This record gives sequence, structure tokens and C-alpha cells, in this order.
Amino acid sequence: GEDVEQSLFLSVREGDSSVINCTYTDSSSTYLYWYKQEPGAGLQLLTYIFSNMDMKQDQRLTVLLNKKDKHLSLRIADTQTGDSAIYFCAESIDYGQNFVFGPGTRLSVLP
Amino acid sequence: DAGVIQSPRHEVTEMGQEVTLRCKPISGHNSLFWYRQTMMRGLELLIYFNNNVPIDDSGMPEDRFSAKMPNASFSTLKIQPSEPRDSAVYFCASSLTSGGGRGAGELFFGEGSRLTVL
Repeated sequence: GEDVEQSLFLSVREGDSSVINCTYTDSSSTYLYWYKQEPGAGLQLLTYIFSNMDMKQDQRLTVLLNKKDKHLSLRIADTQTGDSAIYFCAESIDYGQNFVFGPGTRLSVLP
Repeated sequence: DAGVIQSPRHEVTEMGQEVTLRCKPISGHNSLFWYRQTMMRGLELLIYFNNNVPIDDSGMPEDRFSAKMPNASFSTLKIQPSEPRDSAVYFCASSLTSGGGRGAGELFFGEGSRLTVL
């Protein structure tokens, strides 16, 4: 079945870049997502990428997709303390359905 | 748009009691999902509905859990009887699975209902 894996923890210094990695197993995934969860809140979509794209940039966020290796990464430039949260990678093969989430990476930003 | 609305935000109950969690999806969305989040197991999909019909309930832990969606704007997740191991944050989420408008295909989450069973 589908599986999404992420490292569980990442610590960076404020101002540095953060890179959160994700691997997935379903080669038929057509949509890949990054969600952010702040303490006590629900998940919010940060960005997504279609499987026919290699890269997507949105302000401080850069998403890279390596379809051959089934590897997705999220780079946050100039990481701030407000970026401290849990980041979930997710895949979907059906538009708006059948989401599979990873375990989440807890990002801690140190001053 | 008010987003996905869940109630209650917090519930503390005693083992054996019935718990009902409620969800109002975003107007116009045609898919609704119930997730459970715990430290040990992360985010688990319990059940999802498409056009008010349950499509996949394989994640529902056992017969003590039931979910209904009587109409497009309301869903409930019921636990009867509740047990301490049911303590978790329960999220409702909705999405639009057709059309190409803004937000289509995106999963929108509510703020969650934090359940504590003593």
C-alpha cells in the first residue's frame, strides 16, 4: 500500500535554511503536498506540487520533486521562530481524495 | 468563508460515556474526512465520505466508533462507549473533488476536537 516517510525531528538556527525531506512509495501519486501544523491547531496547506513538475517556488518556500527516487523536499529560506511547527508531507492519487500523510517532521527553530 | 467548523473544541469525559463530535464542512465541498491524531500513531484516517456516502471506513478502530453524514453540511463521529485509549485530537477535513477553481483538490482541516477520556 501507499506509505509516506519523513524524519521526525529537525532543529535549525534562526536565519538558516531548513530542508525537510519526504519519501513516498506510490509512483502513481499525482499531487504532493506540504502541510503545516502549529500547536493546538489543525493542518494548513503550505504548498503543493503536481507530479509533472520538478520544482515549485513560493516566496521563502521551495519544493523539489525527484520522481525517479520518489523524494520530495521542502526548503524554507531564512527560517524564523514562527516557522516552528510540525510539517506533514502528503500524497494523493485522486484529485481531492485518498490522501496519505507522513508522520510529520517537528521543526524547532533556535534563536 | 468560515472554514471547517468542529465542536466541541475540548471534551473531557469518563470511561463508558458516549461522545459525539460534530463537523460542518466548507460549503460546496463534496468530500469529508475524519482523522485522529495521537503522539504514538500520528495522523490516522478514520473514515471519509464523498457526496455524503461513506467510501472508506477501514480506519475506524472498532464497532464503538460510528460516523454519519446526514446531509452535505453536517457530520458526526460517535464513540460509544468511550475508553481512555480513545483520548486524541480528532480532526474533520473537507475537500472539493471536482472543478478547477481555487482550492479545488486541497484538503481543509478544522481546528480539531481534543478528547480526554478518564
